[in-house]
Amino acid sequence: DSGVTQTPKHLITATGQRVTLRCSPRSGDLSVYWYQQSLDQGLQFLIQYYNGEERAKGNILERFSAQQFPDLHSELNLSSLELGDSALYFCASSVDPHPTNEKLFFGSGTQLSVL
Amino acid sequence: QKEVEQDPGPLSVPEGAIVSLNCTYSNSAFQYFMWYRQYSRKGPELLMYTYSSGNKEDGRFTAQVDKSSKYISLFIRDSQPSDSATYLCAMRGSARQLTFGSGTQLTVLP
Repeated sequence: DSGVTQTPKHLITATGQRVTLRCSPRSGDLSVYWYQQSLDQGLQFLIQYYNGEERAKGNILERFSAQQFPDLHSELNLSSLELGDSALYFCASSVDPHPTNEKLFFGSGTQLSVL
Repeated sequence: QKEVEQDPGPLSVPEGAIVSLNCTYSNSAFQYFMWYRQYSRKGPELLMYTYSSGNKEDGRFTAQVDKSSKYISLFIRDSQPSDSATYLCAMRGSARQLTFGSGTQLTVLP
């Protein structure tokens, strides 16, 4: 068990809908990362938050947004969903102050199916 | 062309075999190299972490980095059925976000 908790484990929804994925990082970790994993694109970095502030942005669509709350949990919001958004969404966390010591710990993911 | 290329496999070996997994990359700014293991329906789990070129050994696992060739490898000695998983290489430069390979699916047959 990595200590990173993601809910829900599975989500089935329809095109055009909006969903929220939730992540609780490991105790003491200040940084949260969101990744999308699909069969054709592999594991793609979406966005990183550190202590409530956005730190880095990757291949995140404008229809997607995220935030990190004062208690350090994070939410990824996906709106106007399309069939192609079906994927496994992972959250990862790290302590993050020192690059050479940084290691990511991943949650078990949320499987999103858009029908 | 992807920044990180990894043979997707699948790779099937008998128990006890030595397994070699490889990735090539094109971005010379990459300095930190990792291998993650991902079991089915689970998140990736960090296996090895190396900085710059050289070898690092941890039990049955050895990670090699050759920056001059932009090539990294993971060797698994005395492979076990419990090693059956997808292995992802990952790397980054000074930025914190990782770039992952597409993963190699490994099956170790008892």
